[in-house]
Amino acid sequence: GENVEQHPSTLSVQEGDSAVIKCTYSDSASNYFPWYKQELGKGPQLIIDIRSNVGEKKDQRIAVTLNKTAKHFSLHITETQPEDSAVYFCADGGEGGGADGLTFGKGTHLIIQP
Amino acid sequence: GAGVSQSPRYKVAKRGQDVALRCDPISGHVSLFWYQQALGQGPEFLTYFQNEAQLDKSGLPSDRFFAERPEGSVSTLKIQRTQQEDSAVYLCASTQGRQNNEQFFGPGTRLTVL
Repeated sequence: GENVEQHPSTLSVQEGDSAVIKCTYSDSASNYFPWYKQELGKGPQLIIDIRSNVGEKKDQRIAVTLNKTAKHFSLHITETQPEDSAVYFCADGGEGGGADGLTFGKGTHLIIQP
Repeated sequence: GAGVSQSPRYKVAKRGQDVALRCDPISGHVSLFWYQQALGQGPEFLTYFQNEAQLDKSGLPSDRFFAERPEGSVSTLKIQRTQQEDSAVYLCASTQGRQNNEQFFGPGTRLTVL
């Protein structure tokens, strides 16, 4: 089955700086990698995802990169703002592309310092 | 439109009691997933349905856990004879299916077993 390692567990950055969160996965057949943001008392919300046929995807201040050879993918947030403070989870959708469930990392608590 | 809803939002049970947690997916969504999220951890897959068929229940921790989706819409996760280790947030997610596997999560039910 899939295994996902995520780090760091906590990340504190100054407002306006960039934040990078990294994940590694174990199953080379996996082809779908979403990132979720979870605020206190709420369910995870998808912020960006990437499929294995591309190496990078960008949406405004958020980007995700994928290295299939090394089996790792990263979330990049630029020009961080206070509302970016939350817990971020990477996930592996497996060979089924997420159709039969996701395997999540343990999460990164992102703190934006004003 | 309405998102995924779950009820109750909070449940306190005495050890040994049975509990039932409800999930209302987004209307028309084919697949429904249950995850368990322990404090400070990422969600862990429990089980999923495609319409009314339970296709994978490999993540259910014991035979005290049972899930159903009899009409392919609302789902109920039942935990019998609750134990303290069952304390967690139980998240439900649904996907449209048909090659769109983005998972939309509900707010979760926080279960505390005393």
